[in-house]
Amino acid sequence: AQTVTQSQPEMSVQEAETVTLSCTYDTSENNYYLFWYKQPPSRQMILVIRQEAYKQQNATENRFSVNFQKAAKSFSLKISDSQLGDTAMYFCAFMKHDLRDDKIIFGKGTRLHILP
Amino acid sequence: DTAVSQTPKYLVTQMGNDKSIKCEQNLGHDTMYWYKQDSKKFLKIMFSYNNKELIINETVPNRFSPKSPDKAHLNLHINSLELGDSAVYFCASSPDVWAGANVLTFGAGSRLTVL
Repeated sequence: AQTVTQSQPEMSVQEAETVTLSCTYDTSENNYYLFWYKQPPSRQMILVIRQEAYKQQNATENRFSVNFQKAAKSFSLKISDSQLGDTAMYFCAFMKHDLRDDKIIFGKGTRLHILP
Repeated sequence: DTAVSQTPKYLVTQMGNDKSIKCEQNLGHDTMYWYKQDSKKFLKIMFSYNNKELIINETVPNRFSPKSPDKAHLNLHINSLELGDSAVYFCASSPDVWAGANVLTFGAGSRLTVL
């Protein structure tokens, strides 16, 4: 069974600093997707960035980038030039690339505080 | 306009009651989901429907019954509520079963508190 582990329950950084959120996962699959979701106080879940396992190049979305290490089963999120609006819960998630299996598995989340 | 909307946002009820949470998406997506977020913020999928048909049914007590009258709606009905049902329930949708959770859009969640 797949598992997703986020080892940092809570983090705080100063505004404008760079912060890295850790995520590791366990799977025997070769094709899969990985995601980072942001859950602000409004509690909507917003997709921040996604990575296809078959792509070696790390995904980047503006200030957000990932360090995808497939062999190590690691998928960390780097937020550059952090902003107060980045304060939220962040969830790492995994999904098999299997048309018969639509499940997405989330980690327990990391609460990120951006301090002024 | 809200893409995935859930009602109610907050629901407080007594043990043993029956309650429903409604979900609607206006994205034209074919696939909808229900997730449960427990007190430890861990999200687990409960059900998935594609074009009104059940495609995923995780190990969930049969007191939980999803209903999809059309592909834009997926409601969650819970019978005989128990204390352990207290959680935030998230509805989500994706364009189709092939896209799957690759492009999920979530609602804001419904916080259920069972007393």
